[in-house]
Amino acid sequence: EVQLVQSGAEVKKPGESLKISCKGSGYSFTSYWIGWVRQMPGKGLEWMGIIYPGDSDTRYIPSFQGQVTISADKSISTAFLQWSSLKASDTAMYYCAKLPRTSGWYFTDYWGQGTLVTVSS
Amino acid sequence: DIQMTQSPSTLSASVGDRVTITCRASQSINSWLAWYQQKPGKAPKLLIYKASSLESGVPSRFSGSGSGTEFTLTISSLQPDDFATYYCQQFKSYSTFGQGTKLEIK
Repeated sequence: EVQLVQSGAEVKKPGESLKISCKGSGYSFTSYWIGWVRQMPGKGLEWMGIIYPGDSDTRYIPSFQGQVTISADKSISTAFLQWSSLKASDTAMYYCAKLPRTSGWYFTDYWGQGTLVTVSS
Repeated sequence: DIQMTQSPSTLSASVGDRVTITCRASQSINSWLAWYQQKPGKAPKLLIYKASSLESGVPSRFSGSGSGTEFTLTISSLQPDDFATYYCQQFKSYSTFGQGTKLEIK
């Protein structure tokens, strides 16, 4: 059974750093892209970027380039999303999702349960 | 950037109704479109991919059609479990979601 299990909710202060995780199981983690999607409170879904864990090829949506870093550690079948300096506007639910293809942007067939990030002073 | 516009933003309907949600792309995306259902507090769920292919396990009352710039998601006979928010997603160039359509009980 394919599963994406995300790390737990976080409460941080503005300016702090953060790294959240998404562990894949039940499939070949290195063979499929994983993406990150933001959902701000009461709002819609926004793609942030995708990574191919096999070689760490990473593609960002332009509006998120430089704002976050997406990475993966294939030895532990885990993808990461990190911030170096959080802002209140980063408060959102963040989902990871698996893309059922080996090359670039696509639809998603499995999703993690979401990680709620709250940034408040 | 390819923009995706869904209509309506909110739709009120009753159990048993046939409903249609429209998604328009700002430029041609061929058939590179998917539809998702999201319930409050839950992750989105894939319903339709490549405009008209039904994801395994999704009830046959859901169907998708269209190509180019205009697409539709149709639910042939609404069930109580179908009241949720629906999103379209293009994956022709990068990927973007529509703003969502909230399907409410009338």
